[in-house]
Amino acid sequence: DAGVTQSPTHLIKTRGQQVTLRCSPKSGHDTVSWYQQALGQGPQFIFQYYEEEERQRGNFPDRFSGHQFPNYSSELNVNALLLGDSALYLCASSSDRVPEAFFGQGTRLTVV
Amino acid sequence: QKEVEQDPGPLSVPEGAIVSLNCTYSNSAFQYFMWYRQYSRKGPELLMYTYSSGNKEDGRFTAQVDKSSKYISLFIRDSQPSDSATYLCAMSHNNAGNMLTFGGGTRLMVKP
Repeated sequence: DAGVTQSPTHLIKTRGQQVTLRCSPKSGHDTVSWYQQALGQGPQFIFQYYEEEERQRGNFPDRFSGHQFPNYSSELNVNALLLGDSALYLCASSSDRVPEAFFGQGTRLTVV
Repeated sequence: QKEVEQDPGPLSVPEGAIVSLNCTYSNSAFQYFMWYRQYSRKGPELLMYTYSSGNKEDGRFTAQVDKSSKYISLFIRDSQPSDSATYLCAMSHNNAGNMLTFGGGTRLMVKP
């Protein structure tokens, strides 16, 4: 079992650009959540996808959007990047049948 | 005031010591309580989860939840240098796979 995989590992973008991050959930999981973790802070919930629909959303602007595919993999898109978007972006996979949520290694985004 | 508070540390202990890590929270609707370990520049790793109040033990780790005091703890026995990491508490309302609210993390250093 490969666990939760995220790509790319690192990314450098220029302010104003757009970025797409990708996540493949753990085998058997159908729910994907995205979190933003600024340096020295705990992860902040962005949104969650289940059955290809956004099920819950945290306090993030519309510049943050996502998608879930039929194979349960997911993308996080961020438009009009700001310097403050620089963070570790984490994907977590879970299932309503079991309570645990497992995280990937994250994508470190740097906006310059 | 944040929903989940956690002392950022750093907490420095000698090898073999018993470590106590704690979180307080304000939202009485939280029912699932998790502890994650995060090494530098890596994704969080789930250590334990507890539903509602009570204790749970797994090897050197013991998790305690006191819902009446809105206080949770993680104890690490016989601490090892490899336990040096940031420990994050996380909570959710109805299912651990749903939106997690994290504390800011406590950095632990176990010295040989």
